[in-house]
Amino acid sequence: AQKITQTQPGMFVQEKEAVTLDCTYDTSDPSYGLFWYKQPSSGEMIFLIYQGSYDQQNATEGRYSLNFQKARKSANLVISASQLGDSAMYFCAMREPYNQGGKLIFGQGTELSVKP
Amino acid sequence: DVKVTQSSRYLVKRTGEKVFLECVQDMDHENMFWYRQDPGLGLRLIYFSYDVKMKEKGDIPEGYSVSREKKERFSLILESASTNQTSMYLCASSPMGAGRTYEQYFGPGTRLTVT
Repeated sequence: AQKITQTQPGMFVQEKEAVTLDCTYDTSDPSYGLFWYKQPSSGEMIFLIYQGSYDQQNATEGRYSLNFQKARKSANLVISASQLGDSAMYFCAMREPYNQGGKLIFGQGTELSVKP
Repeated sequence: DVKVTQSSRYLVKRTGEKVFLECVQDMDHENMFWYRQDPGLGLRLIYFSYDVKMKEKGDIPEGYSVSREKKERFSLILESASTNQTSMYLCASSPMGAGRTYEQYFGPGTRLTVT
């Protein structure tokens, strides 16, 4: 069965520094998608970045990049130049293959706190 | 912009009450999902639907049911609310298909307290 693991319940980072949030996954399917979402204290889930299992290059979206290491089954999120507004919960998620339902499986989340 | 709305941000109900959580999306998405979110457990899928009148159980369907009579609306029903159903409930929708462009869009969440 597919599984997503985030081993860092909480992280601290100094403003303007870079931070890496860890995510490992487990699947036997060759086709899958990996997502990162941000959840501020307001509760809404905000899509950050996507990596497809067949994508050759690591995904980037502004200050967010995904360090995709397929052989190690890891999909770590890197946030460069942290800002106070980055303080939030961050969830890694994997989408099952479409022919299996395409559901999202979420990790436990990492709470990031950015210190001024 | 895709918009997913949920009927309430905060809800307080008594044990044994029947509870309806409503979710509406305005982008003609085929797929709709209900999750519950608890600290340390992330989001867990309760039920999802691929089409009107279709529903599939997720990982934790016990104690819940759903209804999808119209494409834009997906309701989560707690037949007899219990205190262990106190949680944050998130609704999401997505178009049918794979890839980045078929991401799930989430509503603002309903924080349900059962006393």
